[in-house]
Amino acid sequence: DTEVTQTPKHLVMGMTNKKSLKCEQHMGHRAMYWYKQKAKKPPELMFVYSYEKLSINESVPSRFSPECPNSSLLNLHLHALQPEDSALYLCASSQESEDTQYFGPGTRLTVL
Amino acid sequence: DQQVKQNSPSLSVQEGRISILNCDYTNSMFDYFLWYKKYPAEGPTFLISISSIKDKNEDGRFTVFLNKSAKHLSLHIVPSQPGDSAVYFCAASWTGTASKLTFGTGTRLQVTL
Repeated sequence: DTEVTQTPKHLVMGMTNKKSLKCEQHMGHRAMYWYKQKAKKPPELMFVYSYEKLSINESVPSRFSPECPNSSLLNLHLHALQPEDSALYLCASSQESEDTQYFGPGTRLTVL
Repeated sequence: DQQVKQNSPSLSVQEGRISILNCDYTNSMFDYFLWYKKYPAEGPTFLISISSIKDKNEDGRFTVFLNKSAKHLSLHIVPSQPGDSAVYFCAASWTGTASKLTFGTGTRLQVTL
């Protein structure tokens, strides 16, 4: 089983809203990732958590705030986003940070 | 600077024939390569990978070839099936930073009847 789940599937928010994206895996993976994908572009890495600790932040603006409450859960807190932040947000996990990454279905975010 | 390139944005192949998707990279540090398939409104699905110590890896209908001197890899799908129609991304990383995947821009494969 290589399932990563993400909720919600779609999210529309205003620039003053605060919302959160959720990602869950029950494969015992110890590394989890957030990616952003704009239309017709490849996924771009945002954050990596390894053993529940943030190990990589790809210079992401502070309006995106990741959180890893436990080894199965990864959240992305959103605040004061801009319309250009509208994208597909993908979560992935891997056994360890050096292993093959498995992706969730993504959350389609629209910022008005 | 696009370190991983897929120069063909789209490819159309007849059912039953071979599909060949190509990928070039510029960073000689890359030593691990993966192919992902992506359907609309879904996340990428892992297909097959290859380490730089090999030049070929096979899994069922999917074979990946790696030519290190040319910094080129290709994915062969044979025989192609209509369900293979999707966008295919190649991705690369190197030991010690394997969590940092660099993706190509993708190739849309259409398998026609």
